Amino acid sequence: AQTVTQSQPEMSVQEAETVTLSCTYDTSENNYYLFWYKQPPSRQMILVIRQEAYKQQNATENRFSVNFQKAAKSFSLKISDSQLGDTAMYFCAFVGSGYALNFGKGTSLLVTP
Amino acid sequence: GAGVSQSPSNKVTEKGKDVELRCDPISGHTALYWYRQSLGQGLEFLIYFQGNSAPDKSGLPSDRFSAERTGGSVSTLTIQRTQQEDSAVYLCASSQRGTGAVSVKNIQYFGAGTRLSVL
Repeated sequence: AQTVTQSQPEMSVQEAETVTLSCTYDTSENNYYLFWYKQPPSRQMILVIRQEAYKQQNATENRFSVNFQKAAKSFSLKISDSQLGDTAMYFCAFVGSGYALNFGKGTSLLVTP
Repeated sequence: GAGVSQSPSNKVTEKGKDVELRCDPISGHTALYWYRQSLGQGLEFLIYFQGNSAPDKSGLPSDRFSAERTGGSVSTLTIQRTQQEDSAVYLCASSQRGTGAVSVKNIQYFGAGTRLSVL
């Protein structure tokens, strides 16, 4: 079974600063996808960034980037130049040869002025 | 439509009543998923539909829960004789496909969910 662990239940960052959210996972599979989803108060689960396991290059999407360490089974999310609109729950998720996403418990991020 | 649509947005019901939650996936997506998000359990997989194949119901918590998908598109999740522990946000997602090699076609896109409150 795959498990996803987010060890930071809550984090806070000032506007324009950089913050890193941690995620570790456990799997015996060799190819899989990792995701970070953002869930603002509107409840809409929004895909922020994805990483395919066989790609060594870390994914980036504008202000969002990941640090993917396959051997360590670590997948952290870095948000640069934080904005008030980044305030949300962030979920790390894994999908392998199955189809159901395995989610971590989430990290609540608060961006303050 | 452009995204996954779920209705109603919020539902308040009395214990023992039946409820139906609806999901309209992204046009052309053959795979559809239901998840439950509750405070104690986080996000849990409930059920998966792929095209016309038999659904995977392995995540349904009890026989009070059922789901169908008509015409390979719209899905309805039904909860019979609701209990207070059924209170949660029910999220629906769709993807171009659900099985096969890991690819961008498996990426799941979510609706805004239905918040169910059982009094």
